[in-house]
Amino acid sequence: GQNIDQPTEMTATEGAIVQINCTYQTSGFNGLFWYQQHAGEAPTFLSYNVLDGLEEKGRFSSFLSRSKGYSYLLLKELQMKDSASYLCAVMDSNYQLIWGAGTKLIIKP
Amino acid sequence: GAVVSQHPSRVICKSGTSVKIECRSLDFQATTMFWYRQFPKQSLMLMATSNEGSKATYEQGVEKDKFLINHASLTLSTLTVTSAHPEDSSFYICSALQGDHRETQYFGPGTRLLVL
Repeated sequence: GQNIDQPTEMTATEGAIVQINCTYQTSGFNGLFWYQQHAGEAPTFLSYNVLDGLEEKGRFSSFLSRSKGYSYLLLKELQMKDSASYLCAVMDSNYQLIWGAGTKLIIKP
Repeated sequence: GAVVSQHPSRVICKSGTSVKIECRSLDFQATTMFWYRQFPKQSLMLMATSNEGSKATYEQGVEKDKFLINHASLTLSTLTVTSAHPEDSSFYICSALQGDHRETQYFGPGTRLLVL
């Protein structure tokens, strides 16, 4: 079967760095997405990785290793507004999205 | 975890025809489902909130007569794109709400619509 695993919840301190991991097993691979979702709002696109390596975009970076079926989202200089759920999703060989359950990130002062 | 399915996974239709997309929660009841639209590498845009047994709530700018939503049961919501045009080509994603907290949404795999 296909599945995406990511931690249910993480806690970090304002100003610190946090890494949210995502492992996947899917039939085929056409890219991995990270979204941020604040409560009551639609998910916001953060990143898309289809090749191995690190993609940096401001305070957020996303890493992919296709051979390991692994990705992480790295958030630097954490701000209180970063408190949200972070969703990992993989597009399979049929261009269908397989969603992780999301990681709730709690930022403490 | 909770599973949400969509059918069909992809559809190609001629301009002017109508297309129905189904969203099902397979192992839980969902009184609320959401319909999103996504363009490549962009954020999901909420189109409407579907409530079982009542009329859907549409976001500003979404034509309710063009995107018909029916939430007939606690496990099924349908989105019908009426008189589809090429600009309606997109990736349509539904999600189902388990419980009362909007952060516990479970997303479907999406339906790719291509209108020729």
